[in-house]
Amino acid sequence: GAVVSQHPSRVICKSGTSVKIECRSLDFQATTMFWYRQFPKQSLMLMATSNEGSKATYEQGVEKDKFLINHASLTLSTLTVTSAHPEDSSFYICSGLLRGVGTDTQYFGPGTRLTVL
Amino acid sequence: AQSVTQPDIHITVSEGASLELRCNYSYGATPYLFWYVQSPGQGLQLLLKYFSGDTLVQGIKGFEAEFKRSQSSFNLRKPSVHWSDAAEYFCAVAERDSSYKLIFGSGTRLLVRP
Repeated sequence: GAVVSQHPSRVICKSGTSVKIECRSLDFQATTMFWYRQFPKQSLMLMATSNEGSKATYEQGVEKDKFLINHASLTLSTLTVTSAHPEDSSFYICSGLLRGVGTDTQYFGPGTRLTVL
Repeated sequence: AQSVTQPDIHITVSEGASLELRCNYSYGATPYLFWYVQSPGQGLQLLLKYFSGDTLVQGIKGFEAEFKRSQSSFNLRKPSVHWSDAAEYFCAVAERDSSYKLIFGSGTRLLVRP
């Protein structure tokens, strides 16, 4: 299957700092990637859709100035959490969309655990 | 609005027993359906998917799922559960527009008794 990586897997930062998370599709080109947030024992919440070469589309209630998304290449999307605060602590998961004829499928990365102190 | 319901929050089965995880969806058209599995602290792994054709879909790790349009269901089954199957299972339906978004159910946590 298609492989998506994320880096870092864990990050701890101080309140007020910014953190960048990378999402890479390793063996396919992902013109569309997605960023999710997951709270403990809950399902995934879609934050935004990232399209290569264009601005990301954010879901309602997600602050685009706080969660900056850049999809500069066909295999890399980044999520930057700016001026992080403890309430931003969460598990962030990305996915890459592998397109086929009527078989578009999202493949997920392993996730990034962010802890803001 | 489209939605996915997984009515069982937790399910406990004995190792070697059969398993069925329920998933019901609400969608106006023929849906694209997925089952993903998530181990603790990990991302999601695709188990299987249904787009069209044969309504009984085979996936990885011995899992299968059956699409039943009349019941708006896409239940996941495995004939004999292994201890390594203990994880969180998510059912999802894909938006069939240009957004390609997934709508997830709330998940079912599978516990396996030795």
